[in-house]
Amino acid sequence: GNSVTQMEGPVTLSEEAFLTINCTYTATGYPSLFWYVQYPGEGLQLLLKATKADDKGSNKGFEATYRKETTSFHLEKGSVQVSDSAVYFCALRGGSSYKLIFGSGTRLLVRP
Amino acid sequence: DTGVSQDPRHKITKRGQNVTFRCDPISEHNRLYWYRQTLGQGPEFLTYFQNEAQLEKSRLLSDRFSAERPKGSFSTLEIQRTEQGDSAMYLCASSPRGDSPFRSGTQYFGPGTRLTVL
Repeated sequence: GNSVTQMEGPVTLSEEAFLTINCTYTATGYPSLFWYVQYPGEGLQLLLKATKADDKGSNKGFEATYRKETTSFHLEKGSVQVSDSAVYFCALRGGSSYKLIFGSGTRLLVRP
Repeated sequence: DTGVSQDPRHKITKRGQNVTFRCDPISEHNRLYWYRQTLGQGPEFLTYFQNEAQLEKSRLLSDRFSAERPKGSFSTLEIQRTEQGDSAMYLCASSPRGDSPFRSGTQYFGPGTRLTVL
């Protein structure tokens, strides 16, 4: 079945450091891929998405490129801020289903 | 502009009791989803509605769980004879008309209901 694997956290960075959070997936066909973010005390919010191979999703300085050849959708940001501290979830939606399949989440802690 | 709302935000109950949660989706969103999230894990799909029709259910949804969306607006999730393993955050999400698996519209999540079963 479809699944998502993302790197375990926590990831601890200093402010202005470069961020990569790895995400790989297993799916039949051509799933759509998402990154959701959960800030402390808040609900899940969509950060970015990509619906086909080689698409790049971007938002708030974050980017991720849909790589079908490596079945990956890694999240990157060139310069993180303290306010980026949150839990990040990679997710996919595939086939004829509307449901999202999430990874286990990666906690990011950015220190001043 | 109101987002997805859930009530209650927290629920503490004793094992064996029944609990019911409510979700109000974004107005005019016709699809509504329920997920469950345990500590340190990502959300897991439970079920989804298109209007009032329940179209997909996870195997996670045992016969103690039932969900309804009687008028195609708000939804309720009931857990009967709660067990300690039911302790989790229950998330509701909605998505608008025009969404399809091939267009991949955004699902908008509520703040969740945290259930603790003692």
